[in-house]
Amino acid sequence: EIVMTQSPATLSVSPGERATLSCRASQNVRVNLAWYQQKPGQAPRLLIYGASTRATGIPARFSGSGSGTEFTLTISSLQSEDFADYYCQQYSDWPLTFGGGAKVDIK
Amino acid sequence: EVQLVESGGGLVQPGGSLRLSCAVSGFTVSNNYVTWVRQAPGKGLEWVSVIYPGGNTYYADSVKGRFTISRDNSKNTVDLQVKILRIEDTAIYYCARGLWNEYWGQGTLVTVSS
Repeated sequence: EIVMTQSPATLSVSPGERATLSCRASQNVRVNLAWYQQKPGQAPRLLIYGASTRATGIPARFSGSGSGTEFTLTISSLQSEDFADYYCQQYSDWPLTFGGGAKVDIK
Repeated sequence: EVQLVESGGGLVQPGGSLRLSCAVSGFTVSNNYVTWVRQAPGKGLEWVSVIYPGGNTYYADSVKGRFTISRDNSKNTVDLQVKILRIEDTAIYYCARGLWNEYWGQGTLVTVSS
């Protein structure tokens, strides 16, 4: 099973600042990686797939990068609605696996 | 408009069974990957199962042999039969479209407790 490790677990950021979240895979997943955002009481929302392609309707302040085993989600200028939990997921091999999640909260 | 609506959750005793259903509109289940993902209270996301357009199915190790995914093309639904339930299966169960899940339902809560 491919283990996905996210860091940091919690990131405290002021509105308007940049946030950078990391995701590491225990094996090469090429670019078969997605990022999701989840707010309390809501279903997850797809942000990024293919490691760097924004999903429909996702603002340009969200960007993804990386390949192989190291990936990054960057939020260029945090808005109030961006404070949430974020998850990475690999879809390169079975079973598909999620990272443990990262919380972005207000500093 | 794409919509997924889960149903069938509830309270069940350890060892019991449930049948979860995902009713889909805006796309056909026979031509798409449909995935089940769960989330235990206060915990992260856990991928559970997927059914391919061609009918192949895959499961997380934690549910293999106890859960079965299937689809009904005539009803445009994907079901998850969950058996031999354990306390640790307590979670919100979401269905979603795709391997990278662009569309999600709102989930159905399964509580396993005596």
